[in-house]
Amino acid sequence: LAKTTQPISMDSYEGQEVNITCSHNNIATNDYITWYQQFPSQGPRFIIQGYKTKVTNEVASLFIPADRKSSTLSLPRVSLSDTAVYYCLVGVNNAGNMLTFGGGTRLMVKP
Amino acid sequence: DSGVTQTPKHLITATGQRVTLRCSPRSGDLSVYWYQQSLDQGLQFLIHYYNGEERAKGNILERFSAQQFPDLHSELNLSSLELGDSALYFCASSVPAGATDTQYFGPGTRLTVL
Repeated sequence: LAKTTQPISMDSYEGQEVNITCSHNNIATNDYITWYQQFPSQGPRFIIQGYKTKVTNEVASLFIPADRKSSTLSLPRVSLSDTAVYYCLVGVNNAGNMLTFGGGTRLMVKP
Repeated sequence: DSGVTQTPKHLITATGQRVTLRCSPRSGDLSVYWYQQSLDQGLQFLIHYYNGEERAKGNILERFSAQQFPDLHSELNLSSLELGDSALYFCASSVPAGATDTQYFGPGTRLTVL
């Protein structure tokens, strides 16, 4: 399983764009990159997933460079409600193989 | 609402006791995962079942056991409880979708051991 490294915490202000970078130097050819969001006392929630280049949905964008050794989750115009822990996961979950949650990045959005 | 249900929501018990946590996956999901999250800690993977069979084990103590039943619901049994077992226990479910998979998490069971 590919090991991931993320900043432990980040601060931002409402209305700003937030970029959280995850390093995964030993990512395998078949691995996908997935981000989850977790609010206090709630289960994590899927945000976005990608394999290469750029993926965008209604919540976030995911940028993956050509070498795939890192990825960046971009949250546009954050609000106070985006304060949460964000987890980067790397792996293949085909047929139920497990993914590993790392320590995550604790994002604090201030008014 | 993820579609994954967990019962009970809260559980308070004493050291040395045994408890059972229950998880019902989303309709059609074959995989069930169990995680433990202590206060301000990350998610620790415990065990994964796929269609009734154990697929992977993480940092699960010998005092803990789990199973997935034919109707695909799962139970996590915790015995000889210790104060350090106090935590949030999450289950997640997923269905294989090609080369990717998305885990849908339940609301969790908060276990307090006194």
